[in-house]
Amino acid sequence: GAGVSQSPSNKVTEKGKDVELRCDPISGHTALYWYRQSLGQGLEFLIYFQGNSAPDKSGLPSDRFSAERTGGSVSTLTIQRTQQEDSAVYLCASSSRTSGERDTQYFGPGTRLTVL
Amino acid sequence: AQSVTQLGSHVSVSEGALVLLRCNYSSSVPPYLFWYVQYPNQGLQLLLKYTSAATLVKGINGFEAEFKKSETSFHLTKPSAHMSDAAEYFCAVTLAGNQGGKLIFGQGTELSVKP
Repeated sequence: GAGVSQSPSNKVTEKGKDVELRCDPISGHTALYWYRQSLGQGLEFLIYFQGNSAPDKSGLPSDRFSAERTGGSVSTLTIQRTQQEDSAVYLCASSSRTSGERDTQYFGPGTRLTVL
Repeated sequence: AQSVTQLGSHVSVSEGALVLLRCNYSSSVPPYLFWYVQYPNQGLQLLLKYTSAATLVKGINGFEAEFKKSETSFHLTKPSAHMSDAAEYFCAVTLAGNQGGKLIFGQGTELSVKP
């Protein structure tokens, strides 16, 4: 595709419900990242995938958060038993990890999550 | 550990005036540095990046930044502001050659442009 896409663009859920956020990276990009953007905490790294493996999960805030990537492409971020403090914009980025572009991350438009 | 500090959460300039957004970094090893711009309700768009080549980096939309190791700075400038430059700007750092390449962001600077 032309860029990173994310769905849904907006998600409103009730406290305690589970949500799934989807990221479709740029075709051929092997690296995929999830970040969270909130008013209080700014932009925070959550998790990094290289292919289907996640060598760096250090930013996941709790065990309610998990992510997977299948086929080296689409990734899903799942938040279980959502809390109000989970309200934020969740951004996905991908990069080619090839020489010359390996350090450039291209971002999707984000999913705005609101937990009531 | 790396960190980024952006001085000034909000900067206001007049159309046609110089834009200067400040970024200082902390890193124990050579960093890669980035400036991203975010327009309302959109994702982040890369403006420019420093990856240990030329210290003066030119980006899109007339922006440029200079890497100054002695000052641990990577300030973003544009000679003449346009109304369309109004947005939030983020400075970010990652370790050169870092296997993971995760970005550490500053808190952001909101740029307002007055007519």
